[in-house]
Amino acid sequence: QKEVEQNSGPLSVPEGAIASLNCTYSDRGSQSFFWYRQYSGKSPELIMFIYSNGDKEDGRFTAQLNKASQYVSLLIRDSQPSDSATYLCAVKKTSYDKVIFGPGTSLSVIP
Amino acid sequence: ETGVTQTPRHLVMGMTNKKSLKCEQHLGHNAMYWYKQSAKKPLELMFVYSLEERVENNSVPSRFSPECPNSSHLFLHLHTLQPEDSALYLCASSQVPGSNYGYTFGSGTRLTVV
Repeated sequence: QKEVEQNSGPLSVPEGAIASLNCTYSDRGSQSFFWYRQYSGKSPELIMFIYSNGDKEDGRFTAQLNKASQYVSLLIRDSQPSDSATYLCAVKKTSYDKVIFGPGTSLSVIP
Repeated sequence: ETGVTQTPRHLVMGMTNKKSLKCEQHLGHNAMYWYKQSAKKPLELMFVYSLEERVENNSVPSRFSPECPNSSHLFLHLHTLQPEDSALYLCASSQVPGSNYGYTFGSGTRLTVV
């Protein structure tokens, strides 16, 4: 079983819709969860991090964490063509542990 | 300059060459990392440095040799590479190793081994 799994996509959504990106992880002891966005040919940039079960909102982005189900998701409301990118889920067990990245989900927002 | 800067942006090298990748961070962070990103594969952690001391070496072949002369600079020395080493090499930094506030990545070096 891979440590962090994501659907590779591509996930296509129309402009203005909600994009839902999902991630599952295998280590039940994981404590910190991150979402990075990576445009084609560019480096990853941190969008959000979440530690507690429930939802965390930042602008059009909402991260959702369910530790019992070992599941973290990212919702993008009012999707824009500029949101088209690969989204990387990353997981860390405790402080000072290395971050494990998933393979990423490619998102395409269609105008 | 701000953030994390990597040079060169692109590098083509033969299997017998020796080259070095450079990373510099201007964020006052104490931890620096080398990651390898190959097509269709997750980011692979190669090395972690904390306050210039290597704290993790993720079973990386010896043809990759890191160097961290100070907390702002990180190098990756390359020699006798193989074609399968062609990838995007990313440098990152964080306040402390495994920071809960995530990493800041450089723009990467696109390496092609011919």
